[in-house]
This record gives sequence, C-alpha cells and structure tokens, in this order.
Amino acid sequence: QLRLQESGPGLVKPSETLSLTCTVSGGSISSSDYFWGWIRQPPGKGLEWIGYIYYSGSTYYNPSLKSRVTISIDTSKNQFSLKLSSVTAADTAVYFCARDLKQLVSLDYWGQGTLVTVSS
Amino acid sequence: EIVLTQSPATLSLSPGERATLSCRASQSVSVYIAWYQQKPGQAPRLLISDASNRATGIPARFSGSGSGTDFTLTISSLEPEDFAVYYCQQRSYWPITFGEGTRLEIK
Repeated sequence: QLRLQESGPGLVKPSETLSLTCTVSGGSISSSDYFWGWIRQPPGKGLEWIGYIYYSGSTYYNPSLKSRVTISIDTSKNQFSLKLSSVTAADTAVYFCARDLKQLVSLDYWGQGTLVTVSS
Repeated sequence: EIVLTQSPATLSLSPGERATLSCRASQSVSVYIAWYQQKPGQAPRLLISDASNRATGIPARFSGSGSGTDFTLTISSLEPEDFAVYYCQQRSYWPITFGEGTRLEIK
C-alpha cells in the first residue's frame, strides 16, 4: 500500500522559507506513470494546487506562487520536497503531498497533511 | 486559468435521498475532471477520475458525468458517511485548479 508522509516545521516566521518533505513508501517515486505534487488548504478554505514534479525533475508550478516555489525530487531517498520563500500569514495552511496518475485526472494518494503556521 | 464553479455551495439532504452536485468550467476541459470527498481533518479522497471513472473502492452509488464545461457528481442514495465537502478539479490546462467545494450536510 502506497503511503505519503509530510514532514517539516509547523511554525515559520514571516519572510522566511517554508520547507517540507514528502516521503513515499510502498512504491517507487521513479516511475514515469506519475506526477508528485503539493496542494495546500488554508484553514476553513478550499484546495490550492502549488505544483508538481516528475521523476525526471521537470516541474510545473502555479503561476500565482511560481516566483516563490521550488519543488525538488530525491529518487535515492524516495522523497520530494517543497520550498516556499518569503512567506506571509497568507501562506498559513495545511500542506498536502499527493500522487497524480498521469494517464487520468486523479490525485489518487494523499499524505495526511501538515499544518504550517506563519507567525512571529 | 480555468475557473471551476461548483453549485450549490451547500446542499442539505437526508439519508436515502439523491444528491446532485454541479461543477461548471470557464472553458471546455473535455473530460479532464476529477471529484474528491473531504471530511474534517482528513485529506481529500478521490472519487471519480476523467469525469466518469469511479476510483478503486468507491461505492457504486457515486457516479460522475459530463464533458466540455458541465459536470455532475451524483450520489444515488445518501449514506450517513457521505456528508462531507466535495471538490471538483481539472487538469486539462495548467495550472491545475479546484472548485470552491460543495458542502453536503444532513437535513
């Protein structure tokens, strides 16, 4: 059974960089069949797509965040990571990592999510 | 950017009733729509991919239909565990976008 687990600080100061890692177990991150991505959800609000990475390292970012986002992949550790720079209180959200099956429109596996609060 | 408009924002129904949730795209997305269910404190759960394909393990009471700009998620007979928030999502064009959600509540 595939499992995704987010990890990283739950509290980040304004203007600093948010860093999260998603560890994938029960399957290989190196498959050409999937995108690996980050989605966030501010408290009480809807879902916002942040970006995807492919096993080759190709990335796709939300234009609204593109100037501040970097997603990277480490196939040796079966992990992918998110960095979001210059954070403000508006970046406070639950951050989910997820797998997207390329052939279908489907985020079929999700991590449990991790709350990141931006506050001094 | 493709805007997905979900309606209604809130739907109040009783167990056993039929639920019809709508998702309208600002331009054609072909069939590249997925539907998710989210309960409080949980990650979204994939229900339907490519407009009408039920995901693995999803009960047959959930069905999806539509193409182009208009899509529907139907729950044929509501079970108590179906009361949650439902989101549609498109991946026809980058960036991927989600609808604002429909909250399905117990009447």
